[in-house]
Amino acid sequence: DQQVKQNSPSLSVQEGRISILNCDYTNSMFDYFLWYKKYPAEGPTFLISISSIKDKNEDGRFTVFLNKSAKHLSLHIVPSQPGDSAVYFCAASDTGNQFYFGTGTSLTVIP
Amino acid sequence: KAGVTQTPRYLIKTRGQQVTLSCSPISGHRSVSWYQQTPGQGLQFLFEYFSETQRNKGNFPGRFSGRQFSNSRSEMNVSTLELGDSALYLCASSDGQPYGYTFGSGTRLTVV
Repeated sequence: DQQVKQNSPSLSVQEGRISILNCDYTNSMFDYFLWYKKYPAEGPTFLISISSIKDKNEDGRFTVFLNKSAKHLSLHIVPSQPGDSAVYFCAASDTGNQFYFGTGTSLTVIP
Repeated sequence: KAGVTQTPRYLIKTRGQQVTLSCSPISGHRSVSWYQQTPGQGLQFLFEYFSETQRNKGNFPGRFSGRQFSNSRSEMNVSTLELGDSALYLCASSDGQPYGYTFGSGTRLTVV
């Protein structure tokens, strides 16, 4: 049973435009949320996080929004760059020790 | 500071064999977690070790086991390999903080 879902397997965006990646979860006890970025043949690298006490966290071009009532989070990348092309995973946890990952969204930024 | 090191990077095994994968965490990290990544399934949690004790376990059959040594290095073992075990196995280490999760590059296991 997938507790974290990324319903869009892929997304294509023009360079300079906004990329919006979505993630839904089912467990209302989740308090910690992460986004990871993964290039082929590499392990995922941490991108940005948010805890349940916030509804927004920003780091440069990356912003994560959390809507706890809807059990939904999203990652906004503005402006999108070709180097952002990768697979993005969202992850959630209630304890911070075991994270549940989504199936990933493959982002392609077209120059 | 060295990152998370996983060895070997690639492995080909035959059905029925067993395999051991190794993970050396970031120095000072006492928590090591293992994940299996397959196309369409994302990262599936296998187990987490903290100070040589298995603290969390995912929903995998008993053929998947692990251990952690006193220096925090961890090994994962899969016995009686099946074709469906072909995957990228990722190890992540943590210093105990919820956001201190760093992944290694993974071991690509192919079962033929």
